[in-house]
Amino acid sequence: AQTVTQSQPEMSVQEAETVTLSCTYDTSESNYYLFWYKQPPSRQMILVIRQEAYKQQNATENRFSVNFQKAAKSFSLKISDSQLGDTAMYFCAFMKHVYAGNNRKLIWGLGTSLAVNP
Amino acid sequence: EPEVTQTPSHQVTQMGQEVILRCVPISNHLYFYWYRQILGQKVEFLVSFYNNEISEKSEIFDDQFSVERPDGSNFTLKIRSTKLEDSAMYFCASSENETNEKLFFGSGTQLSVL
Repeated sequence: AQTVTQSQPEMSVQEAETVTLSCTYDTSESNYYLFWYKQPPSRQMILVIRQEAYKQQNATENRFSVNFQKAAKSFSLKISDSQLGDTAMYFCAFMKHVYAGNNRKLIWGLGTSLAVNP
Repeated sequence: EPEVTQTPSHQVTQMGQEVILRCVPISNHLYFYWYRQILGQKVEFLVSFYNNEISEKSEIFDDQFSVERPDGSNFTLKIRSTKLEDSAMYFCASSENETNEKLFFGSGTQLSVL
């Protein structure tokens, strides 16, 4: 069975600085997806970034980037130039590779609450 | 930008009562899901739905739960006889097709069972 672990329940960062959120996972699958979702006070789960395990290049979306270490089963999220609007709960999640007939079931970490301070 | 909408945002019910949580997935999406998040615990998969039938369900999704797509737009989760431990945030999600791994989530329904 797959598991996702986020070891930092809470973090804080000053506006404009950089912060890294940690995530480790366990799986015997060789091909899979990893995600970071953001849950602001509005409660909606918003996809921040995703990584396909067979791609060696780390995914990047504007100020958000990941450090994907497949051998170490580590998937950290770096937020550069933090903004007040980045204050939210951040969830790391795992999904087996998608193919016809497979289900897109996400396995979630417990989340990290990030506060961006002015 | 299209989004998944859920109603109501909050639902309070008495133990033993039936509740129906409603979701409108993104219109061209084919896969639908329910997840729940009990306070302080991990988000948990409940059920996935495709082509008008359940694709997969978790151990949590017992006979007290059912899902339905009554028309071309709504996707509902029914809990027949609510228990205290059903209190949670329930999220609906949808994805586009069988090769797309991106799930789009609604804002959730906070269910409180008293």
